[in-house]
Amino acid sequence: DTEVTQTPKHLVMGMTNKKSLKCEQHMGHRAMYWYKQKAKKPPELMFVYSYEKLSINESVPSRFSPECPNSSLLNLHLHALQPEDSALYLCASSQGTWLAANNEQFFGPGTRLTVL
Amino acid sequence: DAKTTQPTSMDCAEGRAANLPCNHSTISGNEYVYWYRQIHSQGPQYIIHGLKNNETNEMASLIITEDRKSSTLILPHATLRDTAVYYCIVSSNDYKLSFGAGTTVTVRA
Repeated sequence: DTEVTQTPKHLVMGMTNKKSLKCEQHMGHRAMYWYKQKAKKPPELMFVYSYEKLSINESVPSRFSPECPNSSLLNLHLHALQPEDSALYLCASSQGTWLAANNEQFFGPGTRLTVL
Repeated sequence: DAKTTQPTSMDCAEGRAANLPCNHSTISGNEYVYWYRQIHSQGPQYIIHGLKNNETNEMASLIITEDRKSSTLILPHATLRDTAVYYCIVSSNDYKLSFGAGTTVTVRA
């Protein structure tokens, strides 16, 4: 299995809602990532988990809360979002060896989030 | 990580080779060159990476100049399905991939 799956594909939420995005991989990868991509812009890194521990937080607002329950799963909990948070949220995974030689990241299809 | 410079866009003809340039003049010795592409509305897809030797896989070839200040991604026989944004990224020994603006490649029949 060489896929990264993400659910849901689309999500519409109000500013007072709480929702979660889910990501799963079964490649035995030990690093998992959340990226945010606004329309016509490149992906921007948000969080990195390495061996189920948060290793990088790119100064993301606290209304985004990541969670890594186990090595195959990654969640992104959303609360009190703003309309400008509407974007494509991408999950990725990689081997997690901290070596640039092995840093191929495998991306999921993304969740398209709309905040009303 | 070193920054990269790519052309904003390029066209190529179906069935012909597509040569995508990338400048990374400030690359340091331990940094690899990675190429990804993103087809519209999909997640980015890894293509190939290299340190200093030329690399080839089933998708593409990567040619890195001897001074490592630039590289070229070659799609040997472009198809309409290769229409995408192509990102050249320089990565060192951490988990970060910093995506630049990329090159929008349009393959025309």
